[in-house]
Amino acid sequence: QVQLQESGPGLVKPSQTLSLTCTVSGDSISSADYFWSWIRQHPGKGLEWIGYIYYTGSTYYSPSLKSRLTISIDTSENQFSLRVSSVTAADTAVYYCARYSSSSGGNWLDPWGQGTLVTVSS
Amino acid sequence: DIQMTQSPSSLSASVGDRVTITCRASQSISTYLNWYQQKPGKAPKLLIFAASSLQSGVPSRFSGSGSGTEFTLTISSLQPEDFATYYCQQSYNTPFTFGPGTKVDIK
Repeated sequence: QVQLQESGPGLVKPSQTLSLTCTVSGDSISSADYFWSWIRQHPGKGLEWIGYIYYTGSTYYSPSLKSRLTISIDTSENQFSLRVSSVTAADTAVYYCARYSSSSGGNWLDPWGQGTLVTVSS
Repeated sequence: DIQMTQSPSSLSASVGDRVTITCRASQSISTYLNWYQQKPGKAPKLLIFAASSLQSGVPSRFSGSGSGTEFTLTISSLQPEDFATYYCQQSYNTPFTFGPGTKVDIK
């Protein structure tokens, strides 16, 4: 059974870089069948899809965050990572990682990690 | 970006009720529509993918339908564990976007 677990600092100062890692167990991150995604949820709000990465290192970033965003992958550690630079209070959110499946019939996110709250504050 | 809307934004229902939630897309998305359930403090859970395919392990009281711009999620007989917030999500075009959610609570 595949599981994902986010890790990283829960508090980041404004203007600094937010860094999170998602560790995947029960599946190989090098699988050609899946992409690996980040999604965030501002407190009490809806869901915002951030971007995804393929095992080859190919990425897609949401245009709203693209200039500040880096998603990378470490196949040897079965992990992928998120970096958001120049953070502000608006980046305070619960950050989720998820596996993204793509087929001719559709694309979906499943499963998800439990999420980690990142607060941007001095 | 494709905009997703949901109605209602919240509803109150009783155990055993039939519940229907509607999701609309700002342009046609074929059947590239997913439904997720989220309980407080928990990650979203996939219920329905490709508009009408039930994810493995999800009870059969959940069903999805629709294509193009209008979709529905139906819970045929609401159970106590179904009180949660439900989100639709389009996966037709990047950036993938979510609806604002529908909160289902106890009447």
